[in-house]
Amino acid sequence: NAGVTQTPKFQVLKTGQSMTLQCAQDMNHNSMYWYRQDPGMGLRLIYYSASEGTTDKGEVPNGYNVSRLNKREFSLRLESAAPSQTSVYFCASRAQGAMGDTQYFGPGTRLTVL
Amino acid sequence: AQKVTQAQTEISVVEKEDVTLDCVYETRDTTYYLFWYKQPPSGELVFLIRRNSFDEQNEISGRYSWNFQKSTSSFNFTITASQVVDSAVYFCALNNRLAFGKGNQVVVIP
Repeated sequence: NAGVTQTPKFQVLKTGQSMTLQCAQDMNHNSMYWYRQDPGMGLRLIYYSASEGTTDKGEVPNGYNVSRLNKREFSLRLESAAPSQTSVYFCASRAQGAMGDTQYFGPGTRLTVL
Repeated sequence: AQKVTQAQTEISVVEKEDVTLDCVYETRDTTYYLFWYKQPPSGELVFLIRRNSFDEQNEISGRYSWNFQKSTSSFNFTITASQVVDSAVYFCALNNRLAFGKGNQVVVIP
């Protein structure tokens, strides 16, 4: 039981390049989330998916797209990376029911855009 | 709108002292959840505690305790007898689309 996994762990891009951050969970959770963490800002929600086949914008969606490929996987795509997207990206999935509404986070992807 | 405020940015304590982290939240929801997460220097986010708005009973779990007061919209967190391993950033968060505070950097000095 790996929990929430993210790939890659580190990435350096040049301005204008594209990339996809991958996230997978093996806890059979319905809801999944993407956050970014910037120094002194806490975490901010980019996009979330309440269930397979649905996605919704969070607080800071501009410059990103997401795909909920299946129940396990939720990817985040940067079509044309900008230096302002330099950040640490966290994926999370949410337990419901007996476990309560608790989100469990992946280890993060540290992205630098030059 | 949802908002979480953690006023203190950095807190330094000497080992074995207690440290209390303040969290004030705003929400229009009548039912909500509050959380505390720990982010050690290694960077991962570790779930610590969850409290739902129905239950104002304050609890202790090991060296952690929390004080939830709905009347003042506060959800404070205390580490008793701090240890060096407690050095981390602690985040208070609200609800499913987690609204995070900016975090408290706790430094425990040996």
